[in-house]
Amino acid sequence: GQQVMQIPQYQHVQEGEDFTTYCNSSTTLSNIQWYKQRPGGHPVFLIQLVKSGEVKKQKRLTFQFGEAKKNSSLHITATQTTDVGTYFCAGRGTYKYIFGTGTRLKVLA
Amino acid sequence: GAVVSQHPSRVICKSGTSVKIECRSLDFQATTMFWYRQFPKQSLMLMATSNEGSKATYEQGVEKDKFLINHASLTLSTLTVTSAHPEDSSFYICSATGVAGGSYNEQFFGPGTRLTVL
Repeated sequence: GQQVMQIPQYQHVQEGEDFTTYCNSSTTLSNIQWYKQRPGGHPVFLIQLVKSGEVKKQKRLTFQFGEAKKNSSLHITATQTTDVGTYFCAGRGTYKYIFGTGTRLKVLA
Repeated sequence: GAVVSQHPSRVICKSGTSVKIECRSLDFQATTMFWYRQFPKQSLMLMATSNEGSKATYEQGVEKDKFLINHASLTLSTLTVTSAHPEDSSFYICSATGVAGGSYNEQFFGPGTRLTVL
């Protein structure tokens, strides 16, 4: 079945450093969504990418969808302590979204 | 807008009992609701997809007779864990999609329910 993997599993960065998480699907996706889950909280929608090669920005966050629509990345520039949490991608195959394994980000002040 | 509530937030029950978890969309009509299970520090595992007025679609490996899902209205879905056992202890979280004013078909998540079976 469809699998969605994310790397790295964990990332500790110093505040101000950049951070990137990569999402890879075993199958071609119709679209991909990104969510953020704070410790003890629930996932919150960040963005959706649909087109091959699409790049979207939200302030310090840059999201990219691969040309083959099988991978995606989230890049955070100059991390802040408020960026702490787990970032999940969710890839849509035929009729459902499969969540990636997640990347847990810790930001050291 | 786009608020999803879950009740209860925590429940502790004895082995063999049944537990019902409610998921409500408070300010929009949820055409589809999803039920997930999340183990500590792990990803969300989709259990089933529920459309209002129809039978839920269960993922492979999820026992439909053990995890009963009812989506009777556009704002309410329930998950009943029947004859719960300690291995059912987990964090159960629902999400909803529908006409919520968003630009995308994003899922709005409830706060989750922590189930502990003794």
